[in-house]
Amino acid sequence: DIQMTQSPSSVSASVGDRVTITCQASQSIRSWVAWYQQKPGKAPKLLIYEATTLQRGVPSRFSGSGSGTDFTLTISSLQPEDFATYYCQQSYSFPSTFGQGTRLETK
Amino acid sequence: QVQLQESGPGLVKPSETLSLSCNVTGGSISDAYWSWIRQSPGEGLEWIGYIYYNGNTDYNPSLKSRVTLSVDTTKNHYSLKLTSVTAADTAVYFCAKMEGGSYYFDYWGQGILVTVSS
Repeated sequence: DIQMTQSPSSVSASVGDRVTITCQASQSIRSWVAWYQQKPGKAPKLLIYEATTLQRGVPSRFSGSGSGTDFTLTISSLQPEDFATYYCQQSYSFPSTFGQGTRLETK
Repeated sequence: QVQLQESGPGLVKPSETLSLSCNVTGGSISDAYWSWIRQSPGEGLEWIGYIYYNGNTDYNPSLKSRVTLSVDTTKNHYSLKLTSVTAADTAVYFCAKMEGGSYYFDYWGQGILVTVSS
């Protein structure tokens, strides 16, 4: 199975900050990566798919980049509702696998 | 707007079978592929398998020998059975709709905690 490694495992930031989370695949997955946001007690929410495509309804402060093995989720100006855990997921190779998560906390 | 809701027992004994159902509203189960995903503190998020309305399935090889998915188009729901459970199967189980024919999950149920314990 392809391993998805996220860094950092947790990050502290303030409202208005620019935040970047990275995800590294154990082998090339082209652009077949998605990003999810999960809040406590809730299901994950799809933010971005195919590395850069914003899911409808997701604010434009979220963006994704990367291809091959290295991917990035960026929040351009952190809002109070963005404090959550973020996961990457690859769908290039069967079975689809997820990263271990990055917890975004308030500083 | 598609909505999904999991149901089933929250407690299952070791070696028994975990059975969950996912009811789909706001859309037809014939219009998409449908998955089960679980989340445990130790293993994170793990895709279990998917089913299409015609009964086609695929399963994560790590669970394939113990998993069966089924669909009931007349009731607009689909189900998960996981046999021979152990404590390692304790997790929150989510049902989720797959975007198009992809492995991206655009609608999720709220999740149901299943604990395996005697």
